Amino acid sequence: QSALTQPASVSGSPGQSITISCTGTSSDVGGYNYVSWYQQHPDKAPKLMIYDVSNRPSGVSNRFSGSKSGNTASLTISGLQAEDEADYYCSSYTSSSTYVFGSGTKVTVL
Amino acid sequence: EVQLVESGGGLVQPGRSLRLSCAASGFTFDDYGMHWVRQAPGKALEWVAGISWNSGSTGYADSVKGRITVSRDNAKNSLYLQMNSLRTEDTALYYCAKGIWSTTVGPFDYWGQGTLVTVSS
Repeated sequence: QSALTQPASVSGSPGQSITISCTGTSSDVGGYNYVSWYQQHPDKAPKLMIYDVSNRPSGVSNRFSGSKSGNTASLTISGLQAEDEADYYCSSYTSSSTYVFGSGTKVTVL
Repeated sequence: EVQLVESGGGLVQPGRSLRLSCAASGFTFDDYGMHWVRQAPGKALEWVAGISWNSGSTGYADSVKGRITVSRDNAKNSLYLQMNSLRTEDTALYYCAKGIWSTTVGPFDYWGQGTLVTVSS
């Protein structure tokens, strides 16, 4: 199972919006609404930010939103803040009853 | 408060075995599927294995299938990962993660801090 494709880095200024893409295939992202997104700060455990494409867990800021079109899912962070600087990973359930993560995107707040 | 505490990592030679444990607290352990996810130094996350609430269903990444076994003991609120025939490419920080559903399907809403496994001669 190949990793989902994410851009290596995305940057934006405070207050701006950025979008991170996550491209898979019809056997994972395109085939299921089981796409989730995780935020990971350096030397910390990942944190669930979005699940089932667009649902936010309790306690996650509504500045984070998710969507999907075909084989590509997206995470949008609006009103970018310094604390949003981190690595972000998408993940999807697959037709093999396994999970696959994305290659990861480093978000930099300028 | 949900807590997941991994243990059992360490330095091991290629070809040897290691058993990781994850002690869970703060939630009804036998209501949820559980997973192991690893991260090699400086690399992306990689799902390793998952197990349903009653151990009736398990799943493994192709990279570990046949060498790794996930299990759980609901009476002890514990998750395990038996790793055999270890390879240098298994070197990683291994996270225990709680699923949001009872099956092996579902994202991971709580994570431990990880236990480091280093495979080297």
